[in-house]
Order: sequence, then C-alpha cells, then structure tokens
Amino acid sequence: AQSVTQLGSHVSVSEGALVLLRCNYSSSVPPYLFWYVQYPNQGLQLLLKYTTGATLVKGINGFEAEFKKSETSFHLTKPSAHMSDAAEYFCAVSPLSGGYQKVTFGTGTKLQVIP
Amino acid sequence: DTEVTQTPKHLVMGMTNKKSLKCEQHMGHRAMYWYKQKAKKPPELMFVYSYEKLSINESVPSRFSPECPNSSLLNLHLHALQPEDSALYLCASSLTGGVYEQYFGPGTRLTVT
Repeated sequence: AQSVTQLGSHVSVSEGALVLLRCNYSSSVPPYLFWYVQYPNQGLQLLLKYTTGATLVKGINGFEAEFKKSETSFHLTKPSAHMSDAAEYFCAVSPLSGGYQKVTFGTGTKLQVIP
Repeated sequence: DTEVTQTPKHLVMGMTNKKSLKCEQHMGHRAMYWYKQKAKKPPELMFVYSYEKLSINESVPSRFSPECPNSSLLNLHLHALQPEDSALYLCASSLTGGVYEQYFGPGTRLTVT
C-alpha cells in the first residue's frame, strides 16, 4: 500500500521568499515520487520526479526536491517565490506495475504568493 | 508534440442524457488514464488502459464506460449520471515499461443537472 501526506493545505509566502511545501510518503516498495502543479481550471503539469540515483532533484521553474529515505520525505522548495508560482501543488507516489503507473496523490497544498 | 487534448472543455448534461468525453495524444504513449477531480481535492483514478486494454477499473459505477479505440484515443461514455458526478474529468497518458511521468490534458468540466 502507498500513501502520501502533504502537511498544510494552504501555504502563504511573500514574493521573493523561500517556498517550502512538505510531503511525506509511505510505500511498501521503493517509491517513485512526483510533484505536480495545477493552475486554476487546468490539468496537472509535472514539476519534477524522483526515480533512482541522485536524491536532490531539480525541476522546472526553479523548483527542486530532496528525497530523504530516513525521513520518508520529499519536500519541494524554491529559493525565491514568484507571483506566477501561485497554484495548487500535489505530491504523488507511484510503484511501477505492469508498465503503467497507479499514482496516489496527496491532498494538495495551495500556495499563495503575497506581493 | 507533448500535448494531451480533451474535448469538450465544458459539458452540461441532464441525468437522462448520453454524452461522451474524448481524449487524444500523439506522443506514442501506450498507457492512458481517466481521473475525476472534485473541487479542492486531488485527482482520483478511475480507469487505466495499457496497450489499449483496460488494466484498472477503480470500482467506477457502470454509468461511466471507457473505451480505447486505438493507441491515440480514449473516450469516456456517460449515461444516466447523477448530480454528484459533476467534476473535472482529466485524461492523462504515459510511456510504458518504466517510470515515466503522466502528461495531463486540460480536463472537461462536467455539470450534471
């Protein structure tokens, strides 16, 4: 079984401040982890993913995340928030099964950026 | 082309209507997915097709009927829906055989009256 917990349904940061969105996972097998972003009335877009190898993963739009197995965490960070970062962010975990992915999404964190 | 397209963008239907949602991708992906997303909630997986065969049905009511006519096209046929079925319906696709991200379409906003 796999699950994802996102701490904080709403996070507010000032423009230019550090963004930190928290994600903890549980998985009975080595997990593959993803962060997706969803802008209003749009589909989801992949920010970054962790499969194997380097635990610090860099994604699009200046975001990065670090896989910490000992803490079962995959927190998303960005050094300096921009107004355009305001959106809903979903952490997700997926095992690999039969060539497709059964992705389990967290409940989401809405990021508000204050000018 | 890294785009998943969905039509229509918006759909309003009565409880006795029959309608279909369409999803298309031309990225050579052989896994395709339907998700349902209610407001302020994460997407919930409904169906997965792998190589045009239904691989997962997450106990979805039979008033939702998926179809994968070919490797590029995915349909969701709707019949006798309930108001609680109103939601954003997202289609996604991915490569198979490894850990690849899912590419999502913009969704169809469905309202059942």
